[in-house]
Amino acid sequence: ILNVEQSPQSLHVQEGDSTNFTCSFPSSNFYALHWYRWETAKSPEALFVMTLNGDEKKKGRISATLNTKEGYSYLYIKGSQPEDSATYLCAFYPSSNTGKLIFGQGTTLQVKP
Amino acid sequence: DTAVSQTPKYLVTQMGNDKSIKCEQNLGHDTMYWYKQDSKKFLKIMFSYNNKELIINETVPNRFSPKSPDKAHLNLHINSLELGDSAVYFCASSARDSFYGQYFGPGTRLTVT
Repeated sequence: ILNVEQSPQSLHVQEGDSTNFTCSFPSSNFYALHWYRWETAKSPEALFVMTLNGDEKKKGRISATLNTKEGYSYLYIKGSQPEDSATYLCAFYPSSNTGKLIFGQGTTLQVKP
Repeated sequence: DTAVSQTPKYLVTQMGNDKSIKCEQNLGHDTMYWYKQDSKKFLKIMFSYNNKELIINETVPNRFSPKSPDKAHLNLHINSLELGDSAVYFCASSARDSFYGQYFGPGTRLTVT
């Protein structure tokens, strides 16, 4: 059974704080890791697709790193804003792939103004 | 134009009824998916079709039957609905496989009473 775990489950920060959270995935059979942003009452939207060990991706104030050898990825948000409030999902794409993504349960971020 | 659309958005029905949820994507993608968001908020894959061919069929009750009349549509029919079927169901699509990410519909909240 392939497990993807995210921590923390939820996070409350003040506007302007920087924050980060973790996605742990199996280090064997790695093919890709996705990060999705899921706002309340909307659908998940892809943020990053990460494939290589040491990958770093950045989109505005949000960035992500990848360590495939130890099986983790970090998502960072610099200077959090209320509009960053959402659930951030990671999804593991194994090399034994059938196209199936295995999702973590998400980290729900609440940014207070 | 909505990329991945689902109808209906909300569905309230009684136990024992049969219902369908429809999904359409206008992205030209080859692959479509059905997910169920469980009580712990995990997105669990149920089915996937690639060009009208079933490629992922997870362990779901056979009361659930997907149908793909063409590669832009993937419908989910549920027979003899049970209380435990209450959940949010998400449709998604991707180009060929999930490597570059999946695009999600808005979800259908099914409530079985």
